[in-house]
Amino acid sequence: AQRVTQPEKLLSVFKGAPVELKCNYSYSGSPELFWYVQYSRQRLQLLLRHISRESIKGFTADLNKGETSFHLKKPFAQEEDSAMYYCALSELGNYGQNFVFGPGTRLSVLP
Amino acid sequence: DTEVTQTPKHLVMGMTNKKSLKCEQHMGHRAMYWYKQKAKKPPELMFVYSYEKLSINESVPSRFSPECPNSSLLNLHLHALQPEDSALYLCASSPDGTGTGELFFGEGSRLTVL
Repeated sequence: AQRVTQPEKLLSVFKGAPVELKCNYSYSGSPELFWYVQYSRQRLQLLLRHISRESIKGFTADLNKGETSFHLKKPFAQEEDSAMYYCALSELGNYGQNFVFGPGTRLSVLP
Repeated sequence: DTEVTQTPKHLVMGMTNKKSLKCEQHMGHRAMYWYKQKAKKPPELMFVYSYEKLSINESVPSRFSPECPNSSLLNLHLHALQPEDSALYLCASSPDGTGTGELFFGEGSRLTVL
């Protein structure tokens, strides 16, 4: 069984403050992990994935297999970062690729 | 065209109606997905089609019937739904469903069952 947990339902920070959205996973194989973001009235879209190791909109995420974590970080939050963030795990099985989403964290960046 | 398009955007139906949700992509993706999303909840997987064959059915009730007429189209046929089936239904696609490709989502079809 696989699980993705995001302990915070809501995270509020002030503009310019650092932000960290936590994600932990349990998976028996080699995980493929993603962060998806849903801005107000927009479709769910990919923010970043661990294999690309790139920074998108100032966000980074490092896969820590020892701690089974994939926390999302940004050093200086902006108001436009306010959105719903989902951590997702992809597994590849005989049936194809399946994505499982965590419960999500709503980030609110205050002015 | 790098989008997943879903129609209709909104649908209201009675419990005895038959309706369909449609999804289309022209990115050459070979895996297509239906997810159900209730308010303030994450998307829940319903069905996966890989190379036009149903590969995952997450124990979805038979009142939901998926169909993949070709590699660009995905339908979800609805019949005898219950009010608790009201939700946002998301379609997504990924390049081939066999690797680490990302999911591309449509905007969703918001379904209300009366």
